[in-house]
Amino acid sequence: AQSVTQLDSHVSVSEGTPVLLRCNYSSSYSPSLFWYVQHPNKGLQLLLKYTSAATLVKGINGFEAEFKKSETSFHLTKPSAHMSDAAEYFCVVTPSGGYNKLIFGAGTRLAVHP
Amino acid sequence: SAVISQKPSRDICQRGTSLTIQCQVDSQVTMMFWYRQQPGQSLTLIATANQGSEATYESGFVIDKFPISRPNLTFSTLTVSNMSPEDSSIYLCSVEDRTGDYGYTFGSGTRLTVV
Repeated sequence: AQSVTQLDSHVSVSEGTPVLLRCNYSSSYSPSLFWYVQHPNKGLQLLLKYTSAATLVKGINGFEAEFKKSETSFHLTKPSAHMSDAAEYFCVVTPSGGYNKLIFGAGTRLAVHP
Repeated sequence: SAVISQKPSRDICQRGTSLTIQCQVDSQVTMMFWYRQQPGQSLTLIATANQGSEATYESGFVIDKFPISRPNLTFSTLTVSNMSPEDSSIYLCSVEDRTGDYGYTFGSGTRLTVV
C-alpha cells in the first residue's frame, strides 16, 4: 500500500527567506514522487519529479527536492521565497513503471509575507 | 507535454440534475483519470478510464453516480448524476504524459456548485 504524508498543513515565510515543505511517503514498490503546485483558481502544475534517477531533483521556479530512501522523505525546498510562490503544494506518490494511480498528500498551503 | 482542454470551467446546478464534464487531449493516451477535489481538500481519484472498456472505480465511487465514457483515445466525459450539495467540488481530468518530460498532466478543472 502507498501513502503520502505532508507534515505541515500551513507554512508561512517571509519573502526572501528559505522554504521547506515536508513530505514523507510509504510505498511497497520503488516509487515515483512528484510535487505539484496549485495557485488559487488555477489548475495543477508539475514542479518536479523523482523517477529513480538522480536523488536531488531540480524543478521549475527555483524549487528542488531530495529523495531520501532511508528517511522515506521527499522534502521540497527553495532558497528564497517570492510572493508569487504563495499557493497550495501537493506531494504525490505512485509506483514506478506502467500505469498506476497517483496518491496525493493532503496539501501544504504556503503563505509568503512581505 | 500533453495539453488538456476541460469544460465547462465552472457551473452552478440545481440539486437532482446531472452535469457532464468533457476532457479533450491533444494526443492519444491510453489512460485518462478523473479526480475530485472537495473544498479545502486534496485530490481523490474517482476512476480510471480506458478506451474500449468500462472505467475502473475507486472505493466509494460508483458508476451510477459518476458514469464515464471513453469513446476514443483523446476524449472522455464524466457525468455527475442526481447531484446534491455534497457534490460541490472541483473535478479534474488527468493523463499520464510519457512524451518528453514524464509526468501527469491535469486539466484546468471544473468548479461545480450544487444549490
